[in-house]
Amino acid sequence: GQNIDQPTEMTATEGAIVQINCTYQTSGFNGLFWYQQHAGEAPTFLSYNVLDGLEEKGRFSSFLSRSKGYSYLLLKELQMKDSASYLCAVRDSNYQLIWGAGTKLIIKP
Amino acid sequence: GAVVSQHPSWVICKSGTSVKIECRSLDFQATTMFWYRQFPKQSLMLMATSNEGSKATYEQGVEKDKFLINHASLTLSTLTVTSAHPEDSSFYICSASSDRAGNQPQHFGDGTRLSIL
Repeated sequence: GQNIDQPTEMTATEGAIVQINCTYQTSGFNGLFWYQQHAGEAPTFLSYNVLDGLEEKGRFSSFLSRSKGYSYLLLKELQMKDSASYLCAVRDSNYQLIWGAGTKLIIKP
Repeated sequence: GAVVSQHPSWVICKSGTSVKIECRSLDFQATTMFWYRQFPKQSLMLMATSNEGSKATYEQGVEKDKFLINHASLTLSTLTVTSAHPEDSSFYICSASSDRAGNQPQHFGDGTRLSIL
């Protein structure tokens, strides 16, 4: 079966750095996405990785290792507004998007 | 860019009513649109995928006669929940992509919170 694993919940301090991991086992791979979802709102697109390596976009970076079936989302200089759920999604060989359950990130002052 | 508008944002109605939700891509052509349902504290559940001008592809367990999807143009898709019942109460979210192959990310509407009394 297809599976995406990410931690259920993480806590970090304002101003710090946090890394949210995502591991996947899917039938084929055609890209990995990270989305942010605030409570009661729809997800918003954060990043896309299809090749190995690090993609940096401001305070957020996303890393991919296809051989390890592994990605992480790195958030720097955490702000209170970063408190949200972070969803990892992988596109399989059929171009179907498989969603992780999301990681709830709690930022403390 | 890549703005998706979803309307209405909140619906409260009586059991047995049919509810139509609209999803529009405002500044790009949405070749493919997706409809999701999300229950509280749970992840997104894909209901169906629709390509413009084609019939929607429904996920296993989703009743196509209950959740009618129309993707008549490159900028508009609608989801109609027919004869809605309290168990259909949920957060419905649409997303749109500008290509069929899925190389582009999905951009989400703001969601519709549906409450059936």
